[in-house]
Amino acid sequence: QVQLVESGGGVVQPGRSLRLSCAASGFTFSSYAIHWVRQAPGKGLEWVAVISSDGGKKYYADSVKGRFTLSRDNSKNTMYLQMSGLRDDDTAVYYCAKERAPVAEFDHWGRGTLVTVSS
Amino acid sequence: EVVMTQSPATLSVSPGERATLSCRASQSVSTKLAWYQQKPGQAPRLLIYSASTRATGIPARFSGSGSGTEFTLTIDSLQSEDFAVYSCQQYNDKYTFGQGTKLEIK
Repeated sequence: QVQLVESGGGVVQPGRSLRLSCAASGFTFSSYAIHWVRQAPGKGLEWVAVISSDGGKKYYADSVKGRFTLSRDNSKNTMYLQMSGLRDDDTAVYYCAKERAPVAEFDHWGRGTLVTVSS
Repeated sequence: EVVMTQSPATLSVSPGERATLSCRASQSVSTKLAWYQQKPGQAPRLLIYSASTRATGIPARFSGSGSGTEFTLTIDSLQSEDFAVYSCQQYNDKYTFGQGTKLEIK
């Protein structure tokens, strides 16, 4: 079955960097765009970024543009979110999610990894 | 940015009754609208896509309707496991989510 597993979360000081990973299984990873969505404590969902199936196209929310960078290694069925210049308001659970089809809804999600930005 | 507004923020309904949740887009998103269910400590679960198509394995008591800027999620004959937070998402112009409606037991 489809599985997405996030890792790499933790506590980090403001201004520092962190890299999240999303490991996939149960589907042809190289055929699907993968998204990151975050949820701050007690808040709604916020779309963060998406990387195309071949890694050639990347789009970011304005709130993270210039600070976060996506990449993927299709040989390892893994994508990465490099986060730099972290701010307090980046504190959230970060989910990776798979698109059901190109430019469509997200049919499978990971369980999330918590990032806490705090001094 | 397309802003998604859900109402009400909290909805109290008794088990066995019907719940109706609303989602409004700040501009037309055609039918590129999805609904998700989220329980505490869990990832979101896709319920409805293309405004009215149930995702795989979703019970028939869940239905979606609407197009353009006004959308509705209806849950008939509420079961105990249906009490959760429901979020809408548009994917017509990038991706944005509503702030969620908490469906609680009355």
